[in-house]
Amino acid sequence: GENVEQHPSTLSVQEGDSAVIKCTYSDSASNYFPWYKQELGKRPQLIIDIRSNVGEKKDQRIAVTLNKTAKHFSLHITETQPEDSAVYFCAASEGLDSGGGADGLTFGKGTHLIIQP
Amino acid sequence: GAGVSQTPSNKVTEKGKYVELRCDPISGHTALYWYRQSLGQGPEFLIYFQGTGAADDSGLPNDRFFAVRPEGSVSTLKIQRTERGDSAVYLCASSLITGGAGELFFGEGSRLTVL
Repeated sequence: GENVEQHPSTLSVQEGDSAVIKCTYSDSASNYFPWYKQELGKRPQLIIDIRSNVGEKKDQRIAVTLNKTAKHFSLHITETQPEDSAVYFCAASEGLDSGGGADGLTFGKGTHLIIQP
Repeated sequence: GAGVSQTPSNKVTEKGKYVELRCDPISGHTALYWYRQSLGQGPEFLIYFQGTGAADDSGLPNDRFFAVRPEGSVSTLKIQRTERGDSAVYLCASSLITGGAGELFFGEGSRLTVL
């Protein structure tokens, strides 16, 4: 099955600086890569996702890059703000092309992002 | 309802007891997922329903765990003979897109504590 590794487990950055979180995956059939943000005691919420037919996607201060050859993808947050403090999870799935494989998302263990004022 | 609803929000039980956790997904969402999240870990996939049928139950840890979705809407996760290691937050999510290929809308979770 799919295995998703996420680094670092904790990331502390100064407010206004950029933050980068990296993930690797093992299943070359995976083609859907979302990122979820989970604030303390809250539910995970999707912040951005990317599919394997593109290499990069941006949404305001957030961007995700994907390297299918190397089987890794990254989350980039620029101009960080206090409200960015949370745990971020990457995930991977075979999506609609699972062809009988697992249909659930496999999540990484999470990165606790701390924005220092 | 506006979002995914899970009940109970908290459940404390004794080792060996039977537990049921309920999930009411967003209306119209065909896909429904159960995940388990332990402290400091990412959500761990348990089971995925497409309509009424379990399309993928490969994440259920053992035969003490079972889930149903008889009418293609509300789902119930059932845990028999609970063990202390079952303690976790059980998250339910629903999606308009099947196959794990679209945004998952999570509930607030049911926190299970097995004493």
